Amino acid sequence: QSALTQPASVSGSLGQSITISCTGTSSNVGSYSFVSWYQQHPGKAPKLIIYEVTKRPSGVLNRFSGSKSGNTASLTISGLQAEDEADYYCCSYAGISTLAFGGGTKLAVL
Amino acid sequence: QVQLVQSGAEVRKPGASVKVSCRASGYSLSVSTYYIHWVRQAPGQGLEWMGWINPKTGGTKYAQKFQGWLTMTRDTSVSTAYLELNRLTSDDTAVYFCARGEILGGTTLTMPPDYWGQGTLVTVSS
Repeated sequence: QSALTQPASVSGSLGQSITISCTGTSSNVGSYSFVSWYQQHPGKAPKLIIYEVTKRPSGVLNRFSGSKSGNTASLTISGLQAEDEADYYCCSYAGISTLAFGGGTKLAVL
Repeated sequence: QVQLVQSGAEVRKPGASVKVSCRASGYSLSVSTYYIHWVRQAPGQGLEWMGWINPKTGGTKYAQKFQGWLTMTRDTSVSTAYLELNRLTSDDTAVYFCARGEILGGTTLTMPPDYWGQGTLVTVSS
């Protein structure tokens, strides 16, 4: 069982927006602004798409955005494209030099 | 550009050990302010953090679940980090990723990883 809770799956139509939640506790998400999001296509390594809750690495489209409220971080993808279909994972610093991952969310683009 | 290149797939019998390597390029492993994290992904499952090694000092931190079962080391002369897994069982069949995570200055606090290796599949089968 993962330390951070994500919905197992979400779906959206082309061009729509979706939001994926990542719920932790006051020991991880709620206490630190070190939450990242990753996109993983089948057979590939995870790719960083959001770091420090809201920041996008160079080259990541502004269709991807992050936010946090209390113990829950969220990833929003706007203007869904077919290539956005993938697994998405959140990761947070969890104190005492450890990290915690969410269980992952499978995004289906209809 | 930063790259982490991992060793190839491995097949082991139950009870055996395996050592996976992760060679860094595009930045200096030995003088950097980045940990190397190791992350496991079992077939069809999510990502699981295993621990980190500080390449500069050799210091390590392992997730409680994996303590006593794995060893993380590094050889800065070849810019390479290693993950050694012992007493393998079929449950250890997984892809093992190395990934770089920034150390916040003057602390042991680490950011989640930015760059990832391509992954190494370890298959444990009799």
